[in-house]
Amino acid sequence: AQSVTQLGSHVSVSEGALVLLRCNYSSSVPPYLFWYVQYPNQGLQLLLKYTSAATLVKGINGFEAEFKKSETSFHLTKPSAHMSDAAEYFCAVSLNTGTASKLTFGTGTRLQVTL
Amino acid sequence: EAGVAQSPRYKIIEKRQSVAFWCNPISGHATLYWYQQILGQGPKLLIQFQNNGVVDDSQLPKDRFSAERLKGVDSTLKIQPAKLEDSAVYLCASSLVRAPTDTQYFGPGTRLTVL
Repeated sequence: AQSVTQLGSHVSVSEGALVLLRCNYSSSVPPYLFWYVQYPNQGLQLLLKYTSAATLVKGINGFEAEFKKSETSFHLTKPSAHMSDAAEYFCAVSLNTGTASKLTFGTGTRLQVTL
Repeated sequence: EAGVAQSPRYKIIEKRQSVAFWCNPISGHATLYWYQQILGQGPKLLIQFQNNGVVDDSQLPKDRFSAERLKGVDSTLKIQPAKLEDSAVYLCASSLVRAPTDTQYFGPGTRLTVL
């Protein structure tokens, strides 16, 4: 079975500081990995995804993530946090069962950005 | 391009009552998903449609939940009778195809409170 683990349910950073949100995966086959962001009272929006091409993936709003097979990780980073980055972030792994394509989400990390 | 539409946005019901949610996916998207997101958790897939056929409903509590996608476009999710533990946000998503790398686009969700 495939799964993802997000370390830290809450992360607080100062505006302008580095953002690092952690995600580790468990998969018996090469995984496809996603990061989604959820703003209050809204649905999820794709930030970026890893589909086995480049290991460093750049996404929207200045975010990027690096796939590290040796560490089974796909951490999300942004060099400089902005107040508008405050939201909930979900890491997810995609599994193709043959008849269906299924996203399995982590429990999420709430990012707080302070002045 | 219009996004995924859902209604209602909020619903409050008493336990043992029934409720229905509606979803209109992005035009042309063949695959439609319903997720349940309980407070503090990541979304969990309930059911997946490919056009108007079900391809995965393994996590749908079929004794009380039902879903349909008539004509391969709009979809409804019904709960009858509702239990307290059904309180959650119900998210609808759609994707162009059923590939594991395909992006899922999410609607704003319906927040259900069962009293």
